[in-house]
Order: sequence, then structure tokens, then C-alpha cells
Amino acid sequence: GENVEQHPSTLSVQEGDSAVIKCTYSDSASNYFPWYKQELGKRPQLIIDIRSNVGEKKDQRIAVTLNKTAKHFSLHITETQPEDSAVYFCAAKRESGNEKLTFGTGTRLTIIP
Amino acid sequence: GAVVSQHPSWVICKSGTSVKIECRSLDFQATTMFWYRQFPKQSLMLMATSNEGSKATYEQGVEKDKFLINHASLTLSTLTVTSAHPEDSSFYICSATKDSTQYFGPGTRLLVL
Repeated sequence: GENVEQHPSTLSVQEGDSAVIKCTYSDSASNYFPWYKQELGKRPQLIIDIRSNVGEKKDQRIAVTLNKTAKHFSLHITETQPEDSAVYFCAAKRESGNEKLTFGTGTRLTIIP
Repeated sequence: GAVVSQHPSWVICKSGTSVKIECRSLDFQATTMFWYRQFPKQSLMLMATSNEGSKATYEQGVEKDKFLINHASLTLSTLTVTSAHPEDSSFYICSATKDSTQYFGPGTRLLVL
């Protein structure tokens, strides 16, 4: 089955600086890679996703890059703000039918004011 | 987007009792729903895939007789934790897929005394 590794487990960034979280996956057939943000006690919220037919996707301050050959993808948050503090999870799956998502272990991001 | 609800949002029960958690897709139909368990400061661990009109598919190590899943309609799946024990205390989250995107319910916090 799929195995997703995520680094770092914790990340502290000065407000205004950029944050980068990296994930690797094992199943070369995986073709859908979402990123979720989870605040304490809340549900995971999809913030951005990428499919294997593109190498990069951007939405305002958030971007995701994908390297299919190396089987890794990264989340980039620029101009970080205190409200970006949360736990971020990457995930991967085969986008056929209702294939299950495999999650990374999460990154606790803290933005220092 | 899509809305997934869960009920109850939290429950406290005595050891040995059973607890039922409901997961509903409010504005779309879902033939498949997923049940996750999340312990503090950990990632989401998939417990089972709930299939409308058929048996659920359980992940390795998850006792199907302890965690009963029923997916009786295209908008409702239920998880029953039978004979709950303190080690079952956790945050249980369901999700459903719409247009390849997985949307999560708000979660149910279970505390077994």
C-alpha cells in the first residue's frame, strides 16, 4: 500500500517569512495529492491540492509543487501570518473511484509574531 | 464545496457501553464514506471504508466486531463503538468524497470513563 512521509514534524517561522513542508510517497500510481490544515479540535480543511498532470499549483500565498520522478511534493506558504499556525497534513491517493487517502504524520506550524 | 456533518460532537460514556456516531453528507450523495480515528498530536488513522449497501472494508488491526459500521443510505453512515473502554477514547472523524475531493466532518470526541 501507499506510505507517505512528512517533514518536519514541527516548524517555527517568523511572521512574514516563508514555510516549506515536504512529503514523499511510495506508490507510483498515486496521482492526487491534497494538503489539509487542521486547527486544534477542528476538522481537517482542504487548502490546496495537485494532480500528477501538473508540476505546480498556486493559490494566493499557498503553493504546492510535485516531482513525480522523485515521488515528492511540497507545500509552500509565503508571507506567513499568525492565523497560519496549525497542523498541516499531506496526503496521497490514486484518483480512481473512491480510493482511500493515505496521510502523512503532520507538521505543527507555529508562526512567531 | 460540500458539507459533512457528524453527531454528536462529543460524548462521555461509561466503560462497557456502546456509542453510535452519525456521519451525514448534507448536500451531496456519497456511496463511500471513511472513518478515521485521531489520537492527540497524531495523524488521522483510517479505520474503515463505509460502502453504501454493502459491508464496510476495515483496515488491518481494526476489529470489525467492535467498530460496527452501517451505511444504509447515500447520505448517512454510522459508526458504533461497542463495549467501549477507556483506550477507545479518541477523536473520531468521518469523511465523504465529492468530485474526487474528500470532505471531513467536524469530528466526535469520545471519552470513555
